[in-house]
Amino acid sequence: GIQVEQSPPDLILQEGANSTLRCNFSDSVNNLQWFHQNPWGQLINLFYIPSGTKQNGRLSATTVATERYSLLYISSSQTTDSGVYFCAGQGGKLIFGQGTELSVKP
Amino acid sequence: GAVVSQHPSRVICKSGTSVKIECRSLDFQATTMFWYRQFPKQSLMLMATSNEGSKATYEQGVEKDKFLINHASLTLSTLTVTSAHPEDSSFYICSAEGQGSYEQYFGPGTRLTVT
Repeated sequence: GIQVEQSPPDLILQEGANSTLRCNFSDSVNNLQWFHQNPWGQLINLFYIPSGTKQNGRLSATTVATERYSLLYISSSQTTDSGVYFCAGQGGKLIFGQGTELSVKP
Repeated sequence: GAVVSQHPSRVICKSGTSVKIECRSLDFQATTMFWYRQFPKQSLMLMATSNEGSKATYEQGVEKDKFLINHASLTLSTLTVTSAHPEDSSFYICSAEGQGSYEQYFGPGTRLTVT
């Protein structure tokens, strides 16, 4: 089955810093989603991005389907950005990466 | 739009009892719903895919007689953990597939503790 790898596994930032999270997938996927899991466990949809680039406020994402990776950019990070970020690729079913745990310090 | 609810949010039960978790799509109809399980500090693992009006499709290693799934309407799927044991303690999350796309929307999860 499809493997989804995320990097880095952990990331500590000072408030205001920028960061890039990466998601590699082992085979072609029909779609790719990015989520933020808050401390209470709720998964919040960030992007549905099979290909191309999308932006939403301080967040943006780019998926290069032909090269099997996606990037999530967080600019001017805030403490409320802390949590776990998951990417998940769908090749029949949604397969999750192991997540990047982000901690933004004030 | 695309709101998914789950009930209960947390439940504690005794070993050997059964627990039912409900997943509802509040503002859209979901032909397909999914059930995931997440252990602490780990990723989400798909347990089963639930299609309205038909039997669920279970992932390898998931006991269908232990985790009963019913998807009787386009807005409701239920997961029943039968004869629960402490090792079934976990965070269970459902999702629903949006209409006309593959995008999934997730419920807030149910934390099950079996004593």
